Amino acid sequence: SQTIHQWPATLVQPVGSPLSLECTVEGTSNPNLYWYRQAAGRGLQLLFYSVGIGQISSEVPQNLSASRPQDRQFILSSKKLLLSDSGFYLCAWRKREGLYGYTFGSGTRLTVV
Amino acid sequence: GQNIDQPTEMTATEGAIVQINCTYQTSGFNGLFWYQQHAGEAPTFLSYNVLDGLEEKGRFSSFLSRSKGYSYLLLKELQMKDSASYLCAVRLVSGGYNKLIFGAGTRLAVHP
Repeated sequence: SQTIHQWPATLVQPVGSPLSLECTVEGTSNPNLYWYRQAAGRGLQLLFYSVGIGQISSEVPQNLSASRPQDRQFILSSKKLLLSDSGFYLCAWRKREGLYGYTFGSGTRLTVV
Repeated sequence: GQNIDQPTEMTATEGAIVQINCTYQTSGFNGLFWYQQHAGEAPTFLSYNVLDGLEEKGRFSSFLSRSKGYSYLLLKELQMKDSASYLCAVRLVSGGYNKLIFGAGTRLAVHP
């Protein structure tokens, strides 16, 4: 069966510090991968999506970047965090072919102080 | 641009039926999803519609009208554990790629 792992679960970082959040998927190959952010009391905002190794599409201009160094690994990064980067970050995957839904990881709650 | 609207909050009584509406204006529509999200947790999949009509799954049903850009999620025999946010999401096809765009969510409070 397929599983998605996301870590860490919570993170408190000072303004100006770097960020690296990791997401890995097991039990499948060639998944489409997504990073979403949810601000407190708000909906999910799509940040990045990837259809393959090294292929990243950015949805909104921002202080963040994403990379996909391996087929089932998706990393969200920042060189210098801003207060506005605080939120609940969710990684999701779906099978590339067919009409499949998206499965989310357990999320990382980031607080920038 | 892409726009997905749903009510911010709803309340209902345990054992009752509640309908959560969602309207959307998007391009490249390729299906509509409903997710449930409890506070502090990740969203979990509830239902999916790609063709017009009603999809039933136990206590939950979802309806889609593509011509009207309209969907609803129907929850029957409400239980206290159904208190959560319900997210409407539209899958878009753009440049050959799929992506899922979410509405802001409807926070449902079920009371005794």
